[in-house]
Amino acid sequence: DSGVTQTPKHLITATGQRVTLRCSPRSGDLSVYWYQQSLDQGLQFLIQYYNGEERAKGNILERFSAQQFPDLHSELNLSSLELGDSALYFCASSVESGSRQETQYFGPGTRLLVL
Amino acid sequence: AQKITQTQPGMFVQEKEAVTLDCTYDTSDPSYGLFWYKQPSSGEMIFLIYQGSYDQQNATEGRYSLNFQKARKSANLVISASQLGDSAMYFCAMRRGGTSYGKLTFGQGTILTVHP
Repeated sequence: DSGVTQTPKHLITATGQRVTLRCSPRSGDLSVYWYQQSLDQGLQFLIQYYNGEERAKGNILERFSAQQFPDLHSELNLSSLELGDSALYFCASSVESGSRQETQYFGPGTRLLVL
Repeated sequence: AQKITQTQPGMFVQEKEAVTLDCTYDTSDPSYGLFWYKQPSSGEMIFLIYQGSYDQQNATEGRYSLNFQKARKSANLVISASQLGDSAMYFCAMRRGGTSYGKLTFGQGTILTVHP
């Protein structure tokens, strides 16, 4: 158990819908990362938040947005869902001191299926 | 830009044997970290081992060791005494140093199958 929690574990929804994925980081970690894992794209970085502020953006679609709340939990919002958004979405957390050796610990993931 | 290449889509190993999973990387940054993660069929990502670009010695963590060859830009994972539970997907990843570069860049992964 990494200490990172994600809910829900599974999500089935229809095209055009909107969903919210939730992540709670490990105790003491200030930084949260979101990654998407799909068969065709592999593991892709989406976005990073640090202590409530957006820190870095990756290949995140405009239909997707995220935020980190004062209690440091984070939510990833996916809207106008398409079939291609079906993927495993991971949240990871770290202390984020900026050190290259800082390990990111991953949650169990949310498996999203868009029908 | 950073890039990680894992050239072995799948590997097979006999139980109790050692296996090497290849990883090469491309970066122009002098400061970076290299990580290996394991993803079992259940889907979670499990951190295995870390190697820093300035580390003089190869990293080891139990049965895992990292064969780091900086000049060749390779960071191969060696698993000794393979166990059935080692069957999983393995990912090599890299991050830059600095607070603005925390994201991990992943390779495509290698599926390891351990035979009894």
